[in-house]
Amino acid sequence: LAKTTQPISMDSYEGQEVNITCSHNNIATNDYITWYQQFPSQGPRFIIQGYKTKVTNEVASLFIPADRKSSTLSLPRVSLSDTAVYYCLVGALHGSSNTGKLIFGQGTTLQVKP
Amino acid sequence: DGGITQSPKYLFRKEGQNVTLSCEQNLNHDAMYWYRQDPGQGLRLIYYSQIVNDFQKGDIAEGYSVSREKKESFPLTVTSAQKNPTAFYLCASSIQSSPPINEQFFGPGTRLTVL
Repeated sequence: LAKTTQPISMDSYEGQEVNITCSHNNIATNDYITWYQQFPSQGPRFIIQGYKTKVTNEVASLFIPADRKSSTLSLPRVSLSDTAVYYCLVGALHGSSNTGKLIFGQGTTLQVKP
Repeated sequence: DGGITQSPKYLFRKEGQNVTLSCEQNLNHDAMYWYRQDPGQGLRLIYYSQIVNDFQKGDIAEGYSVSREKKESFPLTVTSAQKNPTAFYLCASSIQSSPPINEQFFGPGTRLTVL
């Protein structure tokens, strides 16, 4: 499974756009890139998943360059409630590679200030 | 409401006792997972099951056991062999699809404290 590297922590202010970058140099062909959000004493929550180029949903965008060795989660106009830990994961739960598991690293703690 | 439940939310046990954590889902998901989280750390996979009556060891399976007799249920037993069992335990489930969707649905967690 590909190892991921992301910053331990980041600070931002309300209303700003936040970009969290994750490195995954040894990503495999069948791996997908997935981001989760976790609040204290709760289970993580799925944010977004992508394979290449750009993916956007109602809460975030995910930018993946052509070589797929990194990815950037973009949170538009953050609010105080976006203060959380954000995890970058690389792998595939099922499908042809079928490792059946994902690896959660230490994540990035985002602190949004008023 | 569909979802995944864990009970109890808080659990206290004496050292040397086995304890079983409950996890139930009504999402009709084939796959279920158990993770452990220590303060300030990411999640570490204990066991996972992709189908009834089958399960696989994760990265830290020693001192734990599971069963998957029903699709809806995946209980975790923390045995006395687990050297440092105090932690936050999270259960999750997911569908199986191709192409894969890496979305796991998590329960609220059980915080186990061994005294």
